[in-house]
Amino acid sequence: NAGVMQNPRHLVRRRGQEARLRCSPMKGHSHVYWYRQLPEEGLKFMVYLQKENIIDESGMPKERFSAEFPKEGPSILRIQQVVRGDSAAYFCASSPRRNHYGYTFGSGTRLTVV
Amino acid sequence: SQQGEEDPQALSIQEGENATMNCSYKTSINNLQWYRQNSGRGLVHLILIRSNEREKHSGRLRVTLDTSKKSSSLLITASRAADTASYFCATDAERDTDKLIFGTGTRLQVFP
Repeated sequence: NAGVMQNPRHLVRRRGQEARLRCSPMKGHSHVYWYRQLPEEGLKFMVYLQKENIIDESGMPKERFSAEFPKEGPSILRIQQVVRGDSAAYFCASSPRRNHYGYTFGSGTRLTVV
Repeated sequence: SQQGEEDPQALSIQEGENATMNCSYKTSINNLQWYRQNSGRGLVHLILIRSNEREKHSGRLRVTLDTSKKSSSLLITASRAADTASYFCATDAERDTDKLIFGTGTRLQVFP
């Protein structure tokens, strides 16, 4: 079991470009959560998805950010027209069902906007 | 909104000593979890304690929970240099268990 796989590990984008972050959950896990971590801070919830459904996007910025978890393939967190303030580590976690405690986290994607 | 706060923000100890980290939160919870994060890596789940539990052990880890004070502590006994990491508490919200609210973390440095 390869665990939660995130790629790329590091991503550098110029201001105004698009960033696409991928997350492949653990085998058998159909629930995916995205969190953002700013330097020296804890993780902040962004969005919770099940296959083909967004369950809770209360932590997502209203503009430029979107997420999907298609029937086939990884979950994608997409940031359009990136700005310096988007620089952060983005972590994905997965679980086999709702209300399952003790998420498995990926190693994260570190986005740097220059 | 609910937010966890860890105390202290940073802690430096020698190998063999015990390390105690504290976490406070604001609203009612179903459970509280502790995670560890090595520098530049993802989070690893350490231990979960439910709201009806007061103490839990796992190896060299001991977690306590005081729901009346809305606080928890993580004790690492006989620390090792490999315990050097950041430690975060995370709570769910009693009526919304689908997301975790993380604290700001305690950075633990264990010197050999």
